[in-house]
Amino acid sequence: EADIYQTPRYLVIGTGKKITLECSQTMGHDKMYWYQQDPGMELHLIHYSYGVNSTEKGDLSSESTVSRIRTEHFPLTLESARPSHTSQYLCASSAQGYGYTFGSGTRLTVV
Amino acid sequence: QQQVKQSPQSLIVQKGGISIINCAYENTAFDYFPWYQQFPGKGPALLIAIRPDVSEKKEGRFTISFNKSAKQFSLHIMDSQPGDSATYFCALRDGNTDKLIFGTGTRLQVFP
Repeated sequence: EADIYQTPRYLVIGTGKKITLECSQTMGHDKMYWYQQDPGMELHLIHYSYGVNSTEKGDLSSESTVSRIRTEHFPLTLESARPSHTSQYLCASSAQGYGYTFGSGTRLTVV
Repeated sequence: QQQVKQSPQSLIVQKGGISIINCAYENTAFDYFPWYQQFPGKGPALLIAIRPDVSEKKEGRFTISFNKSAKQFSLHIMDSQPGDSATYFCALRDGNTDKLIFGTGTRLQVFP
């Protein structure tokens, strides 16, 4: 079944730790996105990729980084987590001309 | 600048009533107008979408009305049910970049 998967679903981590949020899709979509969202609030685009080895920063400045080595995989990394990074992170993918398919998100809490 | 304005921010509707959420945009380069539904703890899911060559699209209890000249589109939920309680986002796709621009969201609560 074609889908988009995010792991972990929940993560509580201490300040200063390095973390990687995983995102994988099985639909063969070239375009992938990372959004940051506080619960029930606006969606803010922080990174996007239009294909392998292509990554761009989004509209909201973020200290995170991303990589796109394989079409199906688009991980997000925070080198040193801070309480201000506490949020929900949503990954999405799309095919040309259509809307986005979102994952279920990772709820990150930095203590 | 904000390219799409969504209203209302929150909406309370009685079961069986009609829920109406509106979005207005400024740019004419948009070529696809989806609505997303998000339940707590979940990612947004595509609910219904319309392209600018159509003025209305209906899928079950959900209808999009699109007014190209006024640069407005709206989501109507007929016979609203408690299970429809969620946050709804309108979106527009920029035909030049293929990126979606999201509205600020409307929290809908349907009471029995």
